[in-house]
Amino acid sequence: DTEVTQTPKHLVMGMTNKKSLKCEQHMGHRAMYWYKQKAKKPPELMFVYSYEKLSINESVPSRFSPECPNSSLLNLHLHALQPEDSALYLCASSQVFPRRTGNSPLHFGNGTRLTVT
Amino acid sequence: AQKITQTQPGMFVQEKEAVTLDCTYDTSDQSYGLFWYKQPSSGEMIFLIYQGSYDEQNATEGRYSLNFQKARKSANLVISASQLGDSAMYFCAMREYKAAGNKLTFGGGTRVLVKP
Repeated sequence: DTEVTQTPKHLVMGMTNKKSLKCEQHMGHRAMYWYKQKAKKPPELMFVYSYEKLSINESVPSRFSPECPNSSLLNLHLHALQPEDSALYLCASSQVFPRRTGNSPLHFGNGTRLTVT
Repeated sequence: AQKITQTQPGMFVQEKEAVTLDCTYDTSDQSYGLFWYKQPSSGEMIFLIYQGSYDEQNATEGRYSLNFQKARKSANLVISASQLGDSAMYFCAMREYKAAGNKLTFGGGTRVLVKP
C-alpha cells in the first residue's frame, strides 16, 4: 500500500466546475509535489512545497491553485479547466532535499485520473 | 535541452532473462542524484533504486542494479531474471542539488514487456 494517499481516484468535471484534489502523507516529509502526467508521457512537475511554503511553480496556469494547509496535506484546487487538462495528477512527498547525500526519493500516491468535459 | 534521455521507447524481454534500460543525463552540477521509477499500468510510481553522483560503487537493490558511468553521464538500469510482473513503464529521473533544489526531472520512459 502506498504511503501517500490521493483522493479521489477518478474525477470527471465540466469546464465551469470547481473541484479539489487532495493528498495526504504521514511519513514526516516536509516537501510535497504535484505532477501532471499525460498518457504515454513522463510526469511533468507543476508545484513544489517545502516546509509548507510554495518553492517552485512551473509556470502553471492560474486555473490550478495549490494549497498546503499543514505538513501532511496538499490540495490542488481546480477551476475553469480545459479539456486538455485531462490527465493523471500525481502527488508525491519527500524529505526536503539534503544538500549532499541526496538519497531522498519521492514517494508517489496512486494519482487522480481527471477528465474535463 | 533534454536533461534526461531514454533512447529506447519500448523493449521486449524473455522471462528470466536480464534487460538493460539506457539513461543518459546532462548537468553541470557536481552534486546530483539519479533515480529509477517503475510505473505499471495502474499508474502508481514505484521507486526502484538511487545513485548519488559521489557514490563510488554502483547501486544494487535486489534484482535491480545501476550501471553508473559518471564520465559518460549514463546511469543504465539492469533488471536481472525478468518476471512477468516487471512489465511496466520505467523512468529515469535526476535531481540537481544546487540548480533545482527539490525538483525531480524525468526522462521520456521505456516501456518493457516481459514475454513468457
